[in-house]
Amino acid sequence: DADVTQTPRNRITKTGKRIMLECSQTKGHDRMYWYRQDPGLGLQLIYYSFDVKDINKGEISDGYSVSRQAQAKFSLSLESAIPNQTALYFCATRPPRDRGGTPSYEQYFGPGTRLTVT
Amino acid sequence: AQSVAQPEDQVNVAEGNPLTVKCTYSVSGNPYLFWYVQYPNRGLQFLLKYITGDNLVKGSYGFEAEFNKSQTSFHLKKPSALVSDSALYFCAVRDKGNTDKLIFGTGTRLQVFP
Repeated sequence: DADVTQTPRNRITKTGKRIMLECSQTKGHDRMYWYRQDPGLGLQLIYYSFDVKDINKGEISDGYSVSRQAQAKFSLSLESAIPNQTALYFCATRPPRDRGGTPSYEQYFGPGTRLTVT
Repeated sequence: AQSVAQPEDQVNVAEGNPLTVKCTYSVSGNPYLFWYVQYPNRGLQFLLKYITGDNLVKGSYGFEAEFNKSQTSFHLKKPSALVSDSALYFCAVRDKGNTDKLIFGTGTRLQVFP
């Protein structure tokens, strides 16, 4: 979905390096999410944010940190990368309500960042 | 604990045949259920959802899903498969403990053969 962009799309880094993955959206959604995808495990939630001042840990936040610089931007950092953080990382957004005004729960995903830690 | 299960890692079907991708859920009360599709090198795309109402939900690309409360299932279906439907499909349920979260299944790879 071109409304949610992620940079970089691919990254190879070494163990111990700090790395930042960036997500931007033009959908105007307030809620943003970071997931990692591993083969056979589906998607696991790392962090999520309701707005700039509201950050929440997901299921697997250890070793990760996030920054919500603006409503449209949500960055994920690996402070000291390790090989088992090799995965596909997705950013997603969600509006609080759909066009009819009822709560909306579907999320809209970016294209993903493939991260390899050697 | 709340969860969704996709019992098949892969489903193979011939083009033109009907397809079914299975999903069962474990959630107390009335679930909010979703299907997403992931094409190679792409993010997940929303296909359809069940919130309430008709048990048969229609979505994008000709897909539909049938909610069955007695069997706690939400199987994805399409009457006639296309080769271009080949992708990874995820079922998800809204987390009742934290309604801003979705709980995803492990995914089913659909392979449609010409």
